Amino acid sequence: DQQVKQNSPSLSVQEGRISILNCDYTNSMFDYFLWYKKYPAEGPTFLISISSIKDKNEDGRFTVFLNKSAKHLSLHIVPSQPGDSAVYFCAATTLDSGTYKYIFGTGTRLKVLA
Amino acid sequence: DTAVSQTPKYLVTQMGNDKSIKCEQNLGHDTMYWYKQDSKKFLKIMFSYNNKELIINETVPNRFSPKSPDKAHLNLHINSLELGDSAVYFCASSHMRGGEQFFGPGTRLTVL
Repeated sequence: DQQVKQNSPSLSVQEGRISILNCDYTNSMFDYFLWYKKYPAEGPTFLISISSIKDKNEDGRFTVFLNKSAKHLSLHIVPSQPGDSAVYFCAATTLDSGTYKYIFGTGTRLKVLA
Repeated sequence: DTAVSQTPKYLVTQMGNDKSIKCEQNLGHDTMYWYKQDSKKFLKIMFSYNNKELIINETVPNRFSPKSPDKAHLNLHINSLELGDSAVYFCASSHMRGGEQFFGPGTRLTVL
């Protein structure tokens, strides 16, 4: 039972354009959402997060939007750069046995074309 | 200065062997995790330790045994390795209060 889903395995975008990565979830008890970026042969690195009580968080070129009624979040990258080419994972957290449990989506491979 | 380190980076071994993967974090975090990324690229949590105490133990064969000698270390020992154990294993850490996790570079385990 995949509680966090990224339905697009890959996405290609021209340099300078907007990249939009989507993520859907099923558990309304999730209280925090995060996006990670992963390059080949490296571990995921944290990019940006959003609390379930907010609907938008912005950090430079990266903005995350949360639509709780639709159980949907998205990551916008504007403008996209070739160095943004990576796999992007969304994750959600919930409190479990006194600690936070992280559940990851399957990732979307973003390719930014120069 | 490496925040979360894992050794070894690559591990190739025969079926039936026992192997260990080591993880260390120098971030002062309370909580450490082991994840498995399989061939389908799912990142699934295996274990979570908080202050050396096992908190989360997902449905993982008991051939996998985590050991936390102190708050900064969480090692993963695997007995009687099977072909299906081949995957990339990631260690991570975070504060107990949640927030972002910091991941190690991963250990690619190949069981022949």
